[in-house]
Amino acid sequence: GAVVSQHPSWVICKSGTSVKIECRSLDFQATTMFWYRQFPKQSLMLMATSNEGSKATYEQGVEKDKFLINHASLTLSTLTVTSAHPEDSSFYICSARALAYSYEQYFGPGTRLTVT
Amino acid sequence: DAKTTQPTSMDCAEGRAANLPCNHSTISGNEYVYWYRQIHSQGPQYIIHGLKNNETNEMASLIITEDRKSSTLILPHATLRDTAVYYCIVREENNDMRFGAGTRLTVKP
Repeated sequence: GAVVSQHPSWVICKSGTSVKIECRSLDFQATTMFWYRQFPKQSLMLMATSNEGSKATYEQGVEKDKFLINHASLTLSTLTVTSAHPEDSSFYICSARALAYSYEQYFGPGTRLTVT
Repeated sequence: DAKTTQPTSMDCAEGRAANLPCNHSTISGNEYVYWYRQIHSQGPQYIIHGLKNNETNEMASLIITEDRKSSTLILPHATLRDTAVYYCIVREENNDMRFGAGTRLTVKP
């Protein structure tokens, strides 16, 4: 149990376009979902936390108008990178947490975004 | 204000035990010690966690010192597939996971 999936696994987009990444908890209802970003040879950095039906809470320095997070249901969260630029190229990883699993965090496989 | 300190990198011979240390001298009484690992271009994989007592599962053992200021993750028989970055994280039960730099473990044949 406790599987988190992401789609797509990789995406290439042109500068100025928007791209949406989906995160799904496959076999549990996630009360909270998290989005992380990881640049090459660096650690994971928490971008934002979202609870179902509520607005996301963004970490300092993360532009909420650029990284739109929607947590519309207990099994789905989306991250939309708006007006993407090459510096947004990164590995985006989502994570989900559930009361049923004692608030443990489970991580998705990540999405590689390349902006050309 | 990193809560944990880990060596940047370590090597281990295949088949030998890999012992990965972590210092968390400011850990509070209700914070758990978690270990995750990340193989290149994948999401983090949960390994083990503990509060006070030593823990063991099918992947690894976690040894926490009595004062809880440090811990060691032990992979008893390292294989080449254990090559990864290992993250030691301390957190309270309901808080989010925040990652430090981790230890890059290289298992060599």
